[in-house]
Order: sequence, then C-alpha cells, then structure tokens
Amino acid sequence: AQSVAQPEDQVNVAEGNPLTVKCTYSVSGNPYLFWYVQYPNRGLQFLLKYITGDNLVKGSYGFEAEFNKSQTSFHLKKPSALVSDSALYFCAVRDIGSSSYKLIFGSGTRLLVRP
Amino acid sequence: NAGVTQTPKFQVLKTGQSMTLQCAQDMNHEYMSWYRQDPGMGLRLIHYSVGAGITDQGEVPNGYNVSRSTTEDFPLRLLSAAPSQTSVYFCASFAGGRTYEQYFGPGTRLTVT
Repeated sequence: AQSVAQPEDQVNVAEGNPLTVKCTYSVSGNPYLFWYVQYPNRGLQFLLKYITGDNLVKGSYGFEAEFNKSQTSFHLKKPSALVSDSALYFCAVRDIGSSSYKLIFGSGTRLLVRP
Repeated sequence: NAGVTQTPKFQVLKTGQSMTLQCAQDMNHEYMSWYRQDPGMGLRLIHYSVGAGITDQGEVPNGYNVSRSTTEDFPLRLLSAAPSQTSVYFCASFAGGRTYEQYFGPGTRLTVT
C-alpha cells in the first residue's frame, strides 16, 4: 500500500536561513508526489508536484522539492525562510492503484520561522 | 471564480443529530472529494465522486453519506452525529487528466458533544 511519512512534527528555523521539511514515501511503481501548505484556519493550498522529469521541482512562494528515488524521499526546501512561511505542510502521494485520484497524506509538519 | 466553497464554517451538534455539510465548486471539475483532518493524522478520505451521479467510499466512510446530483455540488451528510466525528472537514475538487492538482475549500469545523 502507498504511504508517506513526515518524520518531524515541527521544524524551527530562523528567518533568512534555509529550511527543509522531510518526506519519505513508499509506493509500488512510479510515485506522483505533492506538497500542500495549510495556513491557520484555511484550506490546503497546492505548492508543487513531482510526476516525472527533473528531480528538482520548483513551486509556489519560492519553495522547491528534491525527488530522490534511491532514498525514496521528496524533501521540501527553501533557500531563505520567511516568517510568513510559518504554516502546516503536508506531503502527499497519489494512490495510483485506484481510479479515485485519492491523495494519501502524511501527518503534517508544522514549520515555525522565528524573526 | 470562487473556487471551492464550504458552508457552514463552524457547527456544533449534539450526539444523534443529523446535518449536511455543503460543498460547491465553480470550476467544472469532475472529481470531488471529502476529507477529514484530525491532529497528527493528516487528511483521510471519506467519500469521493468521479462525476455527477457517481460516488464511492474512501478510507473512513462509516457514518457519512454523499450524493452528486450536479457537477457543482457535493454535500456530505452526517446521519447520526457521534463525538468521534468531531473534526475539520475539507472538500476538494480536481479537474482530472494530467493536472493532478486538487483545490481545497476552507473547511468546516464540526464539534459533536
């Protein structure tokens, strides 16, 4: 069965420093991977996706993610964090075994960027 | 476009009461889904629909019903609310094809006492 794991409940980083939010996956076949962000009292917003192609994927708000097949990872990165990046981040994988386009979500990682 | 809208934003129910959470989208998306979000558990799929008149169960369907009479609307019904259904509920829509990006509504925070 497909799954994703986000090993960190919370990541703390100082503004201006680089940030990494970790995600590992387990899928059979080629993974379709996503990152979503949730700001307080809001729905999830799409950040970026990896379907195929370059291992480094660029997304919204200056975020990027690196797909690493050998390590089964899809870590979210940003070179210079902003206080406004503080939010809840979810990694997800598409359940390719069904016709539902179901997304299987990780448990989420709270990012806190301190001034 | 309003995107995906959900009503109400907040709701408190007593155990055994029923209610309907509304979801609508104006993007002409074929696929719509309902998720629930619980602390430390990410989002879990309740029910989904691949088009008007077609629905199916997700991961945690018990206690919920859905219908899809139009492309735009996908209401979620709680038949007899239980405290275990206290959660934040999100509706999402998706165009299909190779876009893969799902659009989420702002959520409904439900408390069952």
